[in-house]
Amino acid sequence: NAGVTQTPKFQVLKTGQSMTLQCAQDMNHNSMYWYRQDPGMGLRLIYYSASEGTTDKGEVPNGYNVSRLNKREFSLRLESAAPSQTSVYFCASSEVGRDLETQYFGPGTRLLVL
Amino acid sequence: DAKTTQPPSMDCAEGRAANLPCNHSTISGNEYVYWYRQIHSQGPQYIIHGLKNNETNEMASLIITEDRKSSTLILPHATLRDTAVYYCIVPPGGNKLVFGAGTILRVKS
Repeated sequence: NAGVTQTPKFQVLKTGQSMTLQCAQDMNHNSMYWYRQDPGMGLRLIYYSASEGTTDKGEVPNGYNVSRLNKREFSLRLESAAPSQTSVYFCASSEVGRDLETQYFGPGTRLLVL
Repeated sequence: DAKTTQPPSMDCAEGRAANLPCNHSTISGNEYVYWYRQIHSQGPQYIIHGLKNNETNEMASLIITEDRKSSTLILPHATLRDTAVYYCIVPPGGNKLVFGAGTILRVKS
């Protein structure tokens, strides 16, 4: 049981390049999330998906798109990367029910945009 | 949204109990208190949550005051591996966790 996995672990992009961050979970959770964490700061929610086929904006959605490919996978796409998107990106998942705030996080993707 | 206030940092001796306080004076009656921690360079890890009763699990205990305006996370026998940033969160609902700056706990030998 791997929990939440993320690929890649590290990525360097040039300004204007695009990329997709991949996230998968094997816990049969319905809800999935993408957060970013800038140096010395707490996590901020980018997008979330309450269930397969639905997505909603979080606190900082600008510059990102997401796809809930199936129940297991939730991807985050940067269409035209900017230096301000340099950050650590965390994916998380949770079960449907009362304890939706009990989220399980992946190890993160460290992104540097030059 | 209920705001939480935590000290920026604390030190604890290895083997001793670590008591991490959190104020959430604007919490409403049906809002839970959650604790997560983030060890350096890793994703956050869920620790425990509670509504009004004290809670205990294999990782920690959560003590919530009777008026629910504050809580304390207790790590009964802190180890060096417990060095991390600890977040006290009162979720605003709707699948959202809002992370503040948290408390940096340094466990020292």
